[in-house]
Amino acid sequence: DIQMTQSPSSLSASVGDRVTITCRASQGISNYLAWYQQKPGKVPKLLIYAASTLQSGVPSRFSGSGSGADFTLTISSLQPEDVASYYCQNYHSVPITFGQGTRLEIK
Amino acid sequence: QVQLVQSGAEVRKPGSSVKVSCKASGGTFSNYAISWVRQAPGQGLEWMGRIIPILGIANYAQRFQGRVTITADKSTSTAYMELSSLRSEDTAIYFCARDQTPVVGATSPHAFDIWGQGTMVTVSS
Repeated sequence: DIQMTQSPSSLSASVGDRVTITCRASQGISNYLAWYQQKPGKVPKLLIYAASTLQSGVPSRFSGSGSGADFTLTISSLQPEDVASYYCQNYHSVPITFGQGTRLEIK
Repeated sequence: QVQLVQSGAEVRKPGSSVKVSCKASGGTFSNYAISWVRQAPGQGLEWMGRIIPILGIANYAQRFQGRVTITADKSTSTAYMELSSLRSEDTAIYFCARDQTPVVGATSPHAFDIWGQGTMVTVSS
C-alpha cells in the first residue's frame, strides 16, 4: 500500500498568515492527489484534486502543488473559517490512502 | 444535485454485524464508484473499500478483507456496507463518498466530491 505522510500534524497560525501543509507519498503517484478540509463535527469537503485543481466553489486562497511523491497545500491568507483538519488522499490506485491529517488552529 | 443520505446510528454488541446504507438522490448512481470511509473518534480518515454499481465490482482495503462486504442495488440507487465480527475498535463514524468522475472504460479511482452525512456505529457490550 502507498503510505501518505503529512506534516505538520498540528499547526497554529495567525489570521492573514500564509500556511503550508505538506504531504509525501511512499512512492510516486503522479498527480493523483486530493486535499480535503474537515471542520469539527462536519463531513469532509473536497478542496483540491489532481494535485492542483481547485474544486468549484472553493476560495482562491487555497492552492495545491506538486507531482510524483511530494505535494503541498497552501492557504495564502488564513481566515478564521479555515480552522479545520486537512487530509491529503492518494487515489492513484486502490487501496486509496489518506494522510494522518493536519489540525489547523488560529493563534 | 446528487445527495447521499445514509441510514441512522447503530449500536451493536461485539461479535455481531452491522449494515449501513447510502441512498443517492438527484442524479445518476450506477456509473459512479461509491467508497466507504470511516473515522474513529478523534482520529483520521480510513478508506475501507469501494464499489462500481454498474459493474458490480468491489475492492476492499486489506485490513478489512473478509470482514467487510460492499454491495449496491441499482434499482434503488443504494449502496451498502456490512461489517462483521465487530469489536470495540470499530466504533466510528462511517461515511459513503462518491467519485467525482463517472466510470468510462477504466475503473481507476477518483477524488470524492460528494459525501454522505455519516453514520455513527457504536460497538459496546
